[in-house]
Amino acid sequence: GIQVEQSPPDLILQEGANSTLRCNFSDSVNNLQWFHQNPWGQLINLFYIPSGTKQNGRLSATTVATERYSLLYISSSQTTDSGVYFCAGVNTGTASKLTFGTGTRLQVTL
Amino acid sequence: DGGITQSPKYLFRKEGQNVTLSCEQNLNHDAMYWYRQDPGQGLRLIYYSQIVNDFQKGDIAEGYSVSREKKESFPLTVTSAQKNPTAFYLCASSSQLGRQGATNEQYFGPGTRLTVT
Repeated sequence: GIQVEQSPPDLILQEGANSTLRCNFSDSVNNLQWFHQNPWGQLINLFYIPSGTKQNGRLSATTVATERYSLLYISSSQTTDSGVYFCAGVNTGTASKLTFGTGTRLQVTL
Repeated sequence: DGGITQSPKYLFRKEGQNVTLSCEQNLNHDAMYWYRQDPGQGLRLIYYSQIVNDFQKGDIAEGYSVSREKKESFPLTVTSAQKNPTAFYLCASSSQLGRQGATNEQYFGPGTRLTVT
C-alpha cells in the first residue's frame, strides 16, 4: 500500500500566525482529503482535493498530483484551530481504501 | 438531520467478551468503512463494504467481523480474538464512484472509545 508522510509532526503557533502543513504520498492517489480532528475525536472534513487549489475561509489547500504532495495553508490562526490535522489518500486502482498519515498536531496559543 | 451516528460513545468490556459497535447513516451512501485509531496515530482500515451483503477486509481485519444486511447499517464486532482491542473506532461512509456527482469523499461518525480490561 501507499505511504503517507505528514510534516511537521508538531507545530506551536501564536494566534494570528500563518502555517503550512505538508503531505507526501509514495504513489499516485486519485482521492485526497484533509481532516481536522477536534479534541473530542471527531474528524471534520476540510477539503476533498485530488488536484488543484481550493479555499474555504482562512484555510486553503493545494494538491500537485503529478508530484504526489498536498499542502494545507492556515492563515491568521485561532485557538480553535488547535487539534490534529490528517491527510489521507486512495491509491489509484485500490477502490475506496483511504490511507492516513500520522497527522500534524497543532497548538495555537494566545 | 443527515449524518452518521455511532453508539455508544464509550464502551467498557472485560477481556474475553465479544462486543458490537453500531454505525448508522442516513446519507444514502452505498459504501461504509470501519477504522481504528490508537493514541498518537493515524487511522487504519479494518473492513469496508461497497454494497449491501458484501464487504472486504482492510489492513487490520484480524479479530474483527462485520455484516452489511441493510444499506444504512454496518455494525462491527470486536471478538475475543483481537489481541489489543482498546482503541478509538470510527465509522465512515461515501457515495459510490460511478454515481453522477459522486466524489467518493468519506464522511466520519463521532466514534466509539472501547476500553477492554
